[in-house]
Amino acid sequence: ETGVTQTPRHLVMGMTNKKSLKCEQHLGHNAMYWYKQSAKKPLELMFVYSLEERVENNSVPSRFSPECPNSSHLFLHLHTLQPEDSALYLCASSQDMVASGGTYNEQFFGPGTRLTVL
Amino acid sequence: AQKITQTQPGMFVQEKEAVTLDCTYDTSDPSYGLFWYKQPSSGEMIFLIYQGSYDQQNATEGRYSLNFQKARKSANLVISASQLGDSAMYFCAMRDNTGNQFYFGTGTSLTVIP
Repeated sequence: ETGVTQTPRHLVMGMTNKKSLKCEQHLGHNAMYWYKQSAKKPLELMFVYSLEERVENNSVPSRFSPECPNSSHLFLHLHTLQPEDSALYLCASSQDMVASGGTYNEQFFGPGTRLTVL
Repeated sequence: AQKITQTQPGMFVQEKEAVTLDCTYDTSDPSYGLFWYKQPSSGEMIFLIYQGSYDQQNATEGRYSLNFQKARKSANLVISASQLGDSAMYFCAMRDNTGNQFYFGTGTSLTVIP
């Protein structure tokens, strides 16, 4: 496996369900991110982890709960979601958080999980 | 306030022609980074090109170049010699000086016509 992988690719859940999205990066990066992509809206940065510590939480409802057990894995735990939470959830990683030493620190994205909340 | 503005929801270009995708940004920080990403229908975001706020020259990566006009706060993407595989959504993004925040535009859908 190379790059950033996400599972599952598609998820349909009811509002009372509990599910988890998984992201794994095989790039040796130190920073990982969760984004929400809804139709006609800009990508929304949800959470940022650097060296397994959460450094940013952009006013995301508590029904979304991230977990970063190590620098290669990132989870997004979902519970009691609403239909408006239906979206494409993208995971990304970057070497570090701030460009240095000539690196861009561009983000590498996974293919996303298409979530539908009924 | 919106940090990244992409005013072209959709663009069409003839194969082998060049096309410019517009992006303006809003920040008062002296240090920031600008990115362009491509998102094909498969969903995965692909990094194309980067411009640092202190870079003196416009970035280029193969057929991609970034027309960086700092005073105007614009960072337009130029794709030369368009190919059918260039048909996709294109997103402009900005990283702030802390590195903690990334702002994306709403994207431009590019269609390359044979």
